[in-house]
Amino acid sequence: DAGITQSPRHKVTETGTPVTLRCHQTENHRYMYWYRQDPGHGLRLIHYSYGVKDTDKGEVSDGYSVSRSKTEDFLLTLESATSSQTSVYFCAINQGRDQETQYFGPGTRLLVL
Amino acid sequence: QKEVEQDPGPLSVPEGAIVSLNCTYSNSAFQYFMWYRQYSRKGPELLMYTYSSGNKEDGRFTAQVDKSSKYISLFIRDSQPSDSATYLCAMKMSGDSTLTFGKGTMLLVSP
Repeated sequence: DAGITQSPRHKVTETGTPVTLRCHQTENHRYMYWYRQDPGHGLRLIHYSYGVKDTDKGEVSDGYSVSRSKTEDFLLTLESATSSQTSVYFCAINQGRDQETQYFGPGTRLLVL
Repeated sequence: QKEVEQDPGPLSVPEGAIVSLNCTYSNSAFQYFMWYRQYSRKGPELLMYTYSSGNKEDGRFTAQVDKSSKYISLFIRDSQPSDSATYLCAMKMSGDSTLTFGKGTMLLVSP
């Protein structure tokens, strides 16, 4: 199994504060992804990275920024958290012989009050 | 367009039943088809992966892809209470870096 850790696992914060979530992988995977999961919406891609300093937007990128300064870490930042960003956030990496599927981390539960 | 449709359920069945979970899609360019299982408060885990059309079997699980109808299915034989989870379908175009997910179907298997 690919090793993915996410930190923190749970966070409560207040509207307007900055929040950074970290995804760490141990196997030099090139592609890393950030999703959010909400009832009724399923998994939605926020941003993804295809290498150090190489990132692209997903379908729900507004209000989020990402950084990848080294292969193993992919950071998701909410510059000024809003209640609509209360969600469960999952990090994922590509896996498989052809790198066509994704392996997910355990998730971070974020509550914005 | 990348829409994938999936009935949210819940789908409730008794233990031992055969379960059929389905997704339809509109983009004929999808080539890779996946099923993920997600237990409550956990991350999705890959269950089945199929390239293009056809069937794939793994134990009690069978994945089917019908590209002509733009329809994929996951069958679970002899369902168990431990199969109770949300099942997400996902699809990918060749050369694309991202997956398109259905919203998931919640399955409840009662003892």
